Amino acid sequence: DGGITQSPKYLFRKEGQNVTLSCEQNLNHDAMYWYRQDPGQGLRLIYYSQIVNDFQKGDIAEGYSVSREKKESFPLTVTSAQKNPTAFYLCASSIGYYNQPQHFGDGTRLSIL
Amino acid sequence: EDQVTQSPEALRLQEGESSSLNCSYTVSGLRGLFWYRQDPGKGPEFLFTLYSAGEEKEKERLKATLTKKESFLHITAPKPEDSATYLCAVQAKGFQKLVFGTGTRLLVSP
Repeated sequence: DGGITQSPKYLFRKEGQNVTLSCEQNLNHDAMYWYRQDPGQGLRLIYYSQIVNDFQKGDIAEGYSVSREKKESFPLTVTSAQKNPTAFYLCASSIGYYNQPQHFGDGTRLSIL
Repeated sequence: EDQVTQSPEALRLQEGESSSLNCSYTVSGLRGLFWYRQDPGKGPEFLFTLYSAGEEKEKERLKATLTKKESFLHITAPKPEDSATYLCAVQAKGFQKLVFGTGTRLLVSP
C-alpha cells in the first residue's frame, strides 16, 4: 500500500539535544511538508520542499532544519535552539504544488525529558 | 492575512441526528478549500477539495458545500464511527501552503 511513514511514533528529547524525525513516502509525490500541531491551534507549517535538494521555510522554521536528498525522504531535525519542541509533528506530501490535497502520515509525538 | 475559523469548537450529536459544521475563511483569492478528518493520535485523512463557490462534494454521510465566504460540512444521520475532529484548510492563489482552522471535535453517541 502506498502511503507516508513517520517514525518513531513517540520521541523524547533531553535538554541541549538534537533529534531527527523520519518521513518516508512511496506515493511518488513531488512535494513534501512538515507541520507542527499544538492543542487548540491549527496545523502550522515548518518547512516544505517542492523538489529534491530544494526546500523553503514555512511560518515557524526557527529551531528546525530539513534535508531533501531523495524524492521519497524528508527528515526533520529539531535542534536545541527550538525552546518549545513538545508537540505533535506531521509530515505530508502532495502530487503537485497547487490545487492538490496533501496526504499525511500518522505523526510523531515529541516530548521533553 | 489569510484566516480560517471553524465553528463550533465541539459538537455532540445523538446517532442519526443530522447537523452541519462551519468553516469561514478570508483569503486573497481562493485556490482550493480542503476538508480533513483526524482521529486521536493519527494524521489528518483527506476528505474533499472544493474549488469554486456553488461546488458540492459527497462521500457516504458527508456532504461539503462552498460559498465565497464559507464552507459547510453536512453530516446526515451520523454514526458513532463518525466521531473525530474535522479540519478545514484553504490554499490561496499564488501560495503553496495550506492555512488550517483549529477544527471541530465531533462526538456521536449511540
